[in-house]
Amino acid sequence: EVQLVQSGAEMKKPGESLKISCEGSGYTFTNYWIGWVRQMPGKGLEWMGIIYPGDSSTRYGPSFQGQVIISADKSISTAYLHWSSLKASDTAMYYCAKYSEAFISPDAFDIWGQGTMVIVSS
Amino acid sequence: DIVMTQSPDSLAVSLGERATINCKSSQSVLYSSNNKNYLAWYQQKPGQSPKLLIYWASTRESGVPDRFSGSVSGTDFTLTISSLQAEDVAVYYCQQYYLTPYTFGQGTKLEIK
Repeated sequence: EVQLVQSGAEMKKPGESLKISCEGSGYTFTNYWIGWVRQMPGKGLEWMGIIYPGDSSTRYGPSFQGQVIISADKSISTAYLHWSSLKASDTAMYYCAKYSEAFISPDAFDIWGQGTMVIVSS
Repeated sequence: DIVMTQSPDSLAVSLGERATINCKSSQSVLYSSNNKNYLAWYQQKPGQSPKLLIYWASTRESGVPDRFSGSVSGTDFTLTISSLQAEDVAVYYCQQYYLTPYTFGQGTKLEIK
């Protein structure tokens, strides 16, 4: 079964760093782009960026460029989303999702992780 | 950025009736070399992750019931549910994946009348 399993919920203070993870299984991890999508409380979906684990090529949305870092460790089939200094406005659910087809970009997201809730509060 | 505008924001339809959700892109998402519209539809039920329903504007994802269909006319896209079932209550999003950032519409909340 193809699945993406994300790390658990996090509660952090403003200014702290955080890295959340997304582990892929049931498919060849290096062949499919993986993206991150933000959903703020009660709001819609926002595309943050994507990474190709095969060579770690990345693309960021302008709103997220410089605010987060997307990375991947293909040896353990895991993608990451990293903040160096969290803000209260980073409070949201974060989803990872993989492209439907291998190698190609762009594409639709066919498999989604269960989401990681991040709460940033003093 | 390409702006995706969905209408209506919310919709109430009786069981067994047709539901229609619209999505308009601010520019074409048609790639002329392959004649494909880079447009997907997702369903998000309360407390769940989004689920892919339709890609390339009109291709149904495997396992998605055939009451769901997608169509396109220029930069106007439509998701139609031919006969609403109780389990279709959700928020529906369109997304363009033609140009980064691959923007989503604001969502349409579908309820039972």
